[in-house]
Amino acid sequence: AQSVTQLDSHVSVSEGTPVLLRCNYSSSYSPSLFWYVQHPNKGLQLLLKYTSAATLVKGINGFEAEFKKSETSFHLTKPSAHMSDAAEYFCVVSDRGDYKLSFGAGTTVTVRA
Amino acid sequence: DADVTQTPRNRITKTGKRIMLECSQTKGHDRMYWYRQDPGLGLRLIYYSFDVKDINKGEISDGYSVSRQAQAKFSLSLESAIPNQTALYFCATSDSIPEQFFGPGTRLTVL
Repeated sequence: AQSVTQLDSHVSVSEGTPVLLRCNYSSSYSPSLFWYVQHPNKGLQLLLKYTSAATLVKGINGFEAEFKKSETSFHLTKPSAHMSDAAEYFCVVSDRGDYKLSFGAGTTVTVRA
Repeated sequence: DADVTQTPRNRITKTGKRIMLECSQTKGHDRMYWYRQDPGLGLRLIYYSFDVKDINKGEISDGYSVSRQAQAKFSLSLESAIPNQTALYFCATSDSIPEQFFGPGTRLTVL
């Protein structure tokens, strides 16, 4: 069975400061991991994905995430937050060979001017 | 044009009414999915289909049914809507890889 825990339901940062969104996962097999972003009144957009290649994954809009098997974590970071980063972020896991996705509860990011 | 479209985008209905949400995709993917999103719960899988003849229940299928009319079309029905089915509904598609592509969502309110 697979599951995801997003450790923060809400993160507030100042524009220009780093963003860290924490995600721990549970998976019976080698997982695929994803981060999706949902802007207000929009659908879900894929930010980045890990599928067993490099453990440091770079995504769109300056985001990156590091897969740490020993810690069962896949935290999302961005060095400098922008106002447009205000959105809800979902960490998602899929067991390899099983194409069903399990979503975390989401982290809402607020960016202060 | 969007690869995954959902109609309607917003719907308000009354308890007991039958509702159909439609999803169409132009990505040529075989696999299609229906999810619902509730605040603080992320997205939960309602039904999924790996091809026209293969339909499977997800984790929260009670009160819902689906129809896969063609490779590109996957509809979700609420036979008798109830207020706790008020949610944001997403359709998604995928190929033979785990990554899924999501539609814009349908906001359903059941009064």
